[in-house]
Parts: sequence; C-alpha cells; structure tokens
Amino acid sequence: EILLTQSPGTLSLSPGERATLSCWASQSVNNNYIAWYQQKPGQAPRLLIYHASSRAIGIPLRFSGSGSGTDFTLTITRLEPDDFGVYYCQQYGKSPRTFGQGTKVDIK
Amino acid sequence: QVTLRESGPALVKPTQTLTLTCTFSGFSLSNAGMCVNWIRQPPGKALEWLARIDWDDDKYYTTSLKTRLTIFQDTSKNQVVLTLSNVDPVDTATYYCARSLPSGYDAFDVWGQGTTVTVSS
Repeated sequence: EILLTQSPGTLSLSPGERATLSCWASQSVNNNYIAWYQQKPGQAPRLLIYHASSRAIGIPLRFSGSGSGTDFTLTITRLEPDDFGVYYCQQYGKSPRTFGQGTKVDIK
Repeated sequence: QVTLRESGPALVKPTQTLTLTCTFSGFSLSNAGMCVNWIRQPPGKALEWLARIDWDDDKYYTTSLKTRLTIFQDTSKNQVVLTLSNVDPVDTATYYCARSLPSGYDAFDVWGQGTTVTVSS
C-alpha cells in the first residue's frame, strides 16, 4: 500500500498570498496518477487536479499541480477567501487507492 | 447532470451488517469505462477508499476490509450497493459514493453528499 504524507498540517495565509501544499509518496506513483481534492466542513470533497497536473472541469486557473515520482505539489496562486478548507492528495496508480492525511488551509 | 446520492441507516449495532445504497443518474454504469466507488471518512479524520465496481462488473476492495466488504450493482435501478459485515464502532464514519473519471481513472470527479453512520449499541 502506498502511504501519502502531506505537509504542512496547517497553512495560515492571507488573501492574495501563494499556497504551496506538498504530498510525498512512500513509493513511486505509476504514471504520476495523483489527484488533489478540496473539502469544506460538512461537504463532500471536490476534485481539483488529476494526473498530477490536469485541472478538473470548472477549476480556476489559480489551482495548479506539479510533480512526479514520489513528490507532488498543489499550488494556489493568489488565495481567495473561498479557498479555505482541507486539501487531500490521493494516488490511483496502485491498488488500494490511498489518500493523504490532509492539509488545512486557513485564510487569515 | 451527473448526481449520486447515498442512503442507509444512520445507526447500526456492533456485529450487524451495514447496507448502503448509492443511487446515481446522468450516466450509465453499463457504458465502458464507468466505475463507481465507495469512500468513507471517520469524524475528523482522513478519507479512506473502500471499494469499486466497474461497468463490466469487475470489483475491487481495500486490502484491510476485503473479507467484510461486498459491492454489487442493480443496473435496472441505477444503484450500487455496499455491504460491510460485522461492524464495529471504528466503522463510524460518513460514507460517500463517487464516480471515477469516465475514462476509468480513479480520480473521483463527482461525489454524493455522504451518509453518516454511527455504530453503537
């Protein structure tokens, strides 16, 4: 099973700042099959990024994904107040599919 | 418009079997490349993928719960059912069903709103 470790645990930033979220895999992720989700309290997760760097339908350009192998990054340029929530990475290169423990983004 | 909706009991007793139903619309699980998954989230914790069923009726389960999980589909009703046997309080969670990307890749593009299940005597 591939273990995903996310860093930092919490990120407190002001609107307009840049957020950089990291996801490390315990082994190389096949074909960089990494997805990123945003989850707000009481809501289901929302797909942001798949295949490490492809934006899902309707996702703003300020969200971008990068990385390969075992190191992946989600970047949110110019944070907006609505970007608060918990962000999860997930791998689907190997079964069972696994998620990271999440990074909480607080907007100051 | 693609939608999924979970339903099931809010409370189950330890050792019982939990049965959850995902009713979906806007796509057909008979179409090649379509897959539906179950994912759960204990209170305040991370997401955990549980199971997947494919358009060709192939089924996949997470390793740690494989002996307790069963997933099947009712094509005529556009439903996917998940059963979890011998439940324990650690199975208390919000259970989501979600569709994989239409190409069959397991990034989950549409989710239900979730159903909360408490296991307690």
